[in-house]
Amino acid sequence: AQKVTQAQTEISVVEKEDVTLDCVYETRDTTYYLFWYKQPPSGELVFLIRRNSFDEQNEISGRYSWNFQKSTSSFNFTITASQVVDSAVYFCALSDPHSNYGGSQGNLIFGKGTKLSVKP
Amino acid sequence: EPEVTQTPSHQVTQMGQEVILRCVPISNHLYFYWYRQILGQKVEFLVSFYNNEISEKSEIFDDQFSVERPDGSNFTLKIRSTKLEDSAMYFCASSPKGQGIYNEQFFGPGTRLTVL
Repeated sequence: AQKVTQAQTEISVVEKEDVTLDCVYETRDTTYYLFWYKQPPSGELVFLIRRNSFDEQNEISGRYSWNFQKSTSSFNFTITASQVVDSAVYFCALSDPHSNYGGSQGNLIFGKGTKLSVKP
Repeated sequence: EPEVTQTPSHQVTQMGQEVILRCVPISNHLYFYWYRQILGQKVEFLVSFYNNEISEKSEIFDDQFSVERPDGSNFTLKIRSTKLEDSAMYFCASSPKGQGIYNEQFFGPGTRLTVL
């Protein structure tokens, strides 16, 4: 069955520290997509990144970077030089391939989230 | 930048009452979704909607729930007879038509439903 595991429930760091949020997924499909969303204290869900299963290149966007490793079914997220504004709950999500759209626009399966607190 | 909007931001209701949560997806999007998040827990899929009909629904989406696109802009979630355990944040999301790729879902700000 499709599943996303975020083993870290809460992480607390001091500003300027680097922090890595772990995400491990399970899927029986060969084509799938992985996502990270940020949920700040205000509650909305903010899209951060999408990665498809054929693209294992790591990605960097400013202070954010993502490490996708199919061999270990992991899609980890690193924030470099963390800031107080990074404090939020971060969700990893997997596209459900067995949808009526043939895997192209199915629903998302979310992990339980990791609450990141960055202290000044 | 276009965004998904939801109203109301917070709804308080008595157990057994009907509630309708409203969403306006991004105008050129074709796929619509409802998710819910019980306080402190993960986001869970409820239902997806495409071409004026339900495409998929989870086991949470029982006969008490229904969705509708009454006009060209709104997308609603109705809970017929609310229960205490329906208290949660409800997120609407929309997505444009994919062309062999999976487009990200754009989420609204959510409606916090409190059932007393």
